Amino acid sequence: EDKVVQSPLSLVVHEGDTVTLNCSYEVTNFRSLLWYKQEKKAPTFLFMLTSSGIEKKSGRLSSILDKKELFSILNITATQTGDSAVYLCAVVRFNNNDMRFGAGTRLTVKP
Amino acid sequence: GAGVSQSPRYKVAKRGQDVALRCDPISGHVSLFWYQQALGQGPEFLTYFQNEAQLDKSGLPSDRFFAERPEGSVSTLKIQRTQQEDSAVYLCASSHRQGKNTEAFFGQGTRLTVV
Repeated sequence: EDKVVQSPLSLVVHEGDTVTLNCSYEVTNFRSLLWYKQEKKAPTFLFMLTSSGIEKKSGRLSSILDKKELFSILNITATQTGDSAVYLCAVVRFNNNDMRFGAGTRLTVKP
Repeated sequence: GAGVSQSPRYKVAKRGQDVALRCDPISGHVSLFWYQQALGQGPEFLTYFQNEAQLDKSGLPSDRFFAERPEGSVSTLKIQRTQQEDSAVYLCASSHRQGKNTEAFFGQGTRLTVV
């Protein structure tokens, strides 16, 4: 059965800290991995990763994929209270393009 | 439209009542997804459409759940004889490039509360 597992499930840090969120997967016909940030209701897109070892970067956020070890990490440096959210990882498969999500990591950044 | 639009935003239903949740995807988007998200959980896949074709409905939890997208645009998720365990946020997402790597855009969701 296909699986997407995120860790940790929750994390509390202070402003300025750096965090690393993990997403491991076991899926057939892997196509791509996506990271989303969910603050209220609608998850908002962060990154799409398709190739191993190529870092995607946007401001203080970065992400990388390892297709051999079947995982991805999302790094956030110099965290701010506005980074508090649930971070979701999803895997897309080749056959039908559906997205399967992990349970998410709830990040709380304290001032 | 500018984004994915879902309606209603909130729905309170009495146990046993039927409900219909609507999703207006971004214009021209080929793929449409429905997810169910319980409190504190990640979105759970329900079903997926490519244009009007429902390619995967393996996530629908029971035969009380039914989804359609008759013209390949607007989609409706119907839940018959609602139960308390159906209470959740129902998210719709769409993406536009069939067979291509594109991200999906989400609507604000419909929060269903069954009392």
